[in-house]
Amino acid sequence: AQSVAQPEDQVNVAEGNPLTVKCTYSVSGNPYLFWYVQYPNRGLQFLLKYITGDNLVKGSYGFEAEFNKSQTSFHLKKPSALVSDSALYFCAVRGFREFSGGYNKLIFGAGTRLAVHP
Amino acid sequence: GAGVSQSPRYKVAKRGQDVALRCDPISGHVSLFWYQQALGQGPEFLTYFQNEAQLDKSGLPSDRFFAERPEGSVSTLKIQRTQQEDSAVYLCASSLGGGVRNQPQHFGDGTRLSIL
Repeated sequence: AQSVAQPEDQVNVAEGNPLTVKCTYSVSGNPYLFWYVQYPNRGLQFLLKYITGDNLVKGSYGFEAEFNKSQTSFHLKKPSALVSDSALYFCAVRGFREFSGGYNKLIFGAGTRLAVHP
Repeated sequence: GAGVSQSPRYKVAKRGQDVALRCDPISGHVSLFWYQQALGQGPEFLTYFQNEAQLDKSGLPSDRFFAERPEGSVSTLKIQRTQQEDSAVYLCASSLGGGVRNQPQHFGDGTRLSIL
């Protein structure tokens, strides 16, 4: 069964410093991985995805994620954090179901709250 | 903007009442998903539609939960005889393709349901 773990409930970082939000996964078959961000009282916004190819994936708002197959990790990174990056971040893995060609049923981690301090 | 729209944004109901939550997906999106997000948790899958067909309802927690998408666009999630444990944010998401596996899901802002 597919699952995702986000080991940190909260990450604190100073503005301008690099940030990392950790994610590890467990899948059968090839992993399809996603990062979403959630601001208060809002839905989830797509940041980036890993399907295949380069291990470093670039996404929206300057975020990127590094896929590491040997460590089964997909950590979210940003070289220089902004206060406006403060939000809840979710890692997700595709839970594939073979119905009519399949679809992206997402399995989410519990989320990591990122706090960027001025 | 033509994003996913959910209504109402907030719903308060007394235990035992029935509620109906609406989702307007992005126009032309074939796939529609419902998720339940409990406080402090990640979203959990409830059900999936491809056009009007409900292809997966394995995440619905009980037979009190019912979802439909009769014309392949707007969807309604209905909860009968609500209980306090139904209190959560209900998120709707849509994606363009039906069988394409890699397209991101676009989420609405959710309906926050509180059962008193």
